[in-house]
Amino acid sequence: QQKVQQSPESLIVPEGGMASLNCTFSDRNSQYFWWYRQHSGEGPKALMSIFSNGDKKEGRFTAHLNKASLYVSLHIKDSQPSDSALYFCAVTSSSFSKLVFGQGTSLSVVP
Amino acid sequence: DMKVTQMPRYLIKRMGENVLLECGQDMSHETMYWYRQDPGLGLQLIYISYDVDSNSEGDIPKGYRVSRKKREHFSLILDSAKTNQTSVYFCASSLGDAEQFFGPGTRLTVL
Repeated sequence: QQKVQQSPESLIVPEGGMASLNCTFSDRNSQYFWWYRQHSGEGPKALMSIFSNGDKKEGRFTAHLNKASLYVSLHIKDSQPSDSALYFCAVTSSSFSKLVFGQGTSLSVVP
Repeated sequence: DMKVTQMPRYLIKRMGENVLLECGQDMSHETMYWYRQDPGLGLQLIYISYDVDSNSEGDIPKGYRVSRKKREHFSLILDSAKTNQTSVYFCASSLGDAEQFFGPGTRLTVL
């Protein structure tokens, strides 16, 4: 059964700094990888997806995928206080519609 | 307006009472989901529905059942609620294995 682990559990970065969030998964046949962000009191919202090995950049956010190493990461450049949230890594299981979520990384961006 | 709605937003029940959580979406998505979120555990899939009357167990279905009689509406039922079902429940919808759109959540307390 797919297992998804995130690190660190929590992260504090200064405004304007770089935040790096890590995620490992256990199923080598995983196909789709998502990052979701959840602000306090709200439901999660998809931030970005990555399906191929390498980097994918969307504005200040860059996702990196290495399927051989069972590893995906998210890097947030020029972090803003509005980036403070809970970030989830989510990976498809054998059924593509089913996502397995990690336990989350709590990011705080301090002025 | 692409939206997932959940009712009620907050609910307090006594142990042994029945609970009905309701979810609606206006995007004509065929796939809908129920998750629960507990601190440190991320989002755990309770049930997935692939369309009307086509429901499948997720990772933690015990103690829950679902009903989907219309494509835009998905209900989660707890028959005889237990204290360990105190949690925040999220409904989501998607077009196949694309991005999942989440509702705002229902905070359920079982006393």
